[in-house]
Amino acid sequence: EAGVAQSPRYKIIEKRQSVAFWCNPISGHATLYWYQQILGQGPKLLIQFQNNGVVDDSQLPKDRFSAERLKGVDSTLKIQPAKLEDSAVYLCASSLNGQGRITQYFGPGTRLLVL
Amino acid sequence: TQLLEQSPQFLSIQEGENLTVYCNSSSVFSSLQWYRQEPGEGPVLLVTVVTGGEVKKLKRLTFQFGDARKDSSLHITAAQPGDTGLYLCAGFVTDKLIFGTGTRLQVFP
Repeated sequence: EAGVAQSPRYKIIEKRQSVAFWCNPISGHATLYWYQQILGQGPKLLIQFQNNGVVDDSQLPKDRFSAERLKGVDSTLKIQPAKLEDSAVYLCASSLNGQGRITQYFGPGTRLLVL
Repeated sequence: TQLLEQSPQFLSIQEGENLTVYCNSSSVFSSLQWYRQEPGEGPVLLVTVVTGGEVKKLKRLTFQFGDARKDSSLHITAAQPGDTGLYLCAGFVTDKLIFGTGTRLQVFP
């Protein structure tokens, strides 16, 4: 079974530029998550989708971050414009559903450096 | 705001030594998970503990959930270089997973 795919793996941009990350979850997984992991810290949930609807985006900085999952499968996360403090690893995860003690499967992440 | 504090933050040991990582919170969690994350990869689930006082063993790793479900520990016996990585605890709060601050373990041969 293929795991969660993410691209690109690395991205270097200058502040105020835009960047987009792509995630393809495990086939059949209804729930998709985007996390931000700053160096030396644990992942922080940015947004959770159930199929193509948003379940939780309470920690998403909506003035610069946006995410979509139009067909309920793959998803994109965009930052516009980027700030220095956005330098982090962006992890995508998926699970069969979003209720109860679910198991989340993580992708390898996209490492973003903002200069 | 639920906060999961892990200690120690960094741990550097020789192969064959034993170690314990702690995960503490002032909040109660319905269940708690432990993950290991290797460089350049995403976290991989090791175990889920559900019941207060529960102890689970995974080869040389022993996980314990506190009686009050506010804390947990991970004990590794006879550590090996392959155990090197970032260990993360994560607690469930109304279906939302809250990650701890992480413990970075380095095991030298």
